[in-house]
Amino acid sequence: EVQLVESGGGLVQPGGSLRLSCAASGFTFSSYWMSWVRQAPGKGLEWVANIKQDGSEKYYVDSVKGRFTISRDNAKNSLYLQMNSLRAEDTAVYYCARGDTVTTYDYWGQGTLVTVSS
Amino acid sequence: QSVLTQPPSVSAAPGQKVTISCSGSSSNIGNNYVSWYQQLPGTAPKLLIYDNNKRPSGIPDRFSGSKSGTSATLGITGLQTGDEADYYCGTWDSSLSAGGVFGGGTKLTVL
Repeated sequence: EVQLVESGGGLVQPGGSLRLSCAASGFTFSSYWMSWVRQAPGKGLEWVANIKQDGSEKYYVDSVKGRFTISRDNAKNSLYLQMNSLRAEDTAVYYCARGDTVTTYDYWGQGTLVTVSS
Repeated sequence: QSVLTQPPSVSAAPGQKVTISCSGSSSNIGNNYVSWYQQLPGTAPKLLIYDNNKRPSGIPDRFSGSKSGTSATLGITGLQTGDEADYYCGTWDSSLSAGGVFGGGTKLTVL
């Protein structure tokens, strides 16, 4: 059974940092694109970043470029999102999602809430 | 303002059919596959349709997808109260700022 379990969310002050993790199991992690997608309270889905199977390609939404870094450790079946210089508008539930291709997210984690507030 | 445009809400009676549109451009829908997701209240999104019109295993054939040019459509027949949810279209945008894109979401109400 495919499982994606996010962790690392919490309350952080504006300008602070947080590192999200996603533990994957039930599939060959190194064979899939992986993505982070977020959802602000009461709002729609927003794609944040993705990373190719071997980590050689990474893409980010413009609003997080230079502040967020996506990475993966295929030996540990884990995906990460390092978030720096956090802003109030980064407040959201962050989902980890598996992608067979860049256009499809076939499995999602349960999400972890990040709240940026003083 | 989402890159892909969806109607904010649609509604229909149980047993009826509904369609949800998703409009984009040549840099996204026009040149990439479209997927659709269902998000029930308080839960993570779930893949309904991928590659424009394919259903993952376990998704009933009441759900269908199509694409024409720079627009895509999700169809749901035989509506059930359990279909009440938010529905999102998604794809890849191949412009200079390449990345994933979603529609703003459509709230389906089964009257």
